[in-house]
Amino acid sequence: IVLTQSPATLSLSPGERATLSCRASQSVSSYLAWYQQKSGQAPRLLIYDASNRATGIPARFSGSGSGTDFTLTISSLEPEDFAMYYCQQRSNWPLTFGGGTKVEIK
Amino acid sequence: EVQVLESGGGLVQPGGSLRLTCEASGFTLSTYAMSWVRQAPGKGLEWVSTINEGGGVVWYADSVQGRFTISRDNPNNILYLQMNALRAEDTALYYCAKGFSSTHGSFFGIWGQGTMVTASS
Repeated sequence: IVLTQSPATLSLSPGERATLSCRASQSVSSYLAWYQQKSGQAPRLLIYDASNRATGIPARFSGSGSGTDFTLTISSLEPEDFAMYYCQQRSNWPLTFGGGTKVEIK
Repeated sequence: EVQVLESGGGLVQPGGSLRLTCEASGFTLSTYAMSWVRQAPGKGLEWVSTINEGGGVVWYADSVQGRFTISRDNPNNILYLQMNALRAEDTALYYCAKGFSSTHGSFFGIWGQGTMVTASS
């Protein structure tokens, strides 16, 4: 299953809303996760099963979608949110990641 | 604190072998599926392999099938990745990742800091 993330880069200012997209080449039901990776750090799980926040993840992060179209929304960007974001599916083997979206400061 | 710590990376000639080790602490390894995920320099994340809780079921990416072997030593809380016939395209930072939960073993809840593998002459 190929996951396509868009846009590749999102240039926004702190306080703005970020909307990231992940599209699957076939249905993954709700078996989709989102990860955040800051420069030089390991990824961190944000969202699992499309819409469930992992422990300790702030409420400004939300996920939605099912089937083939998914969205990660950051309601109001904080300085620490500027990073790479990846989606990942566990519906079918092999597990796959999207190519990532970079959220950068405008 | 729940954490995993990778080791064993290094510089190896193409065709050579390495064994990566992941030491788990703060949780009972036998309760979770475990995985390896890699990231080539400047690139995205690529899943490599997953092993189920008991070690009896394994999955591999096509790119490493037949060359890499994942295994685990639950009593000693260690995960392994034996890498043979290494290629230049295997050059990457290799992360050990703990399954998010017993029902979501193929989402990755805890990641190590990674160990770098470089296959080059």
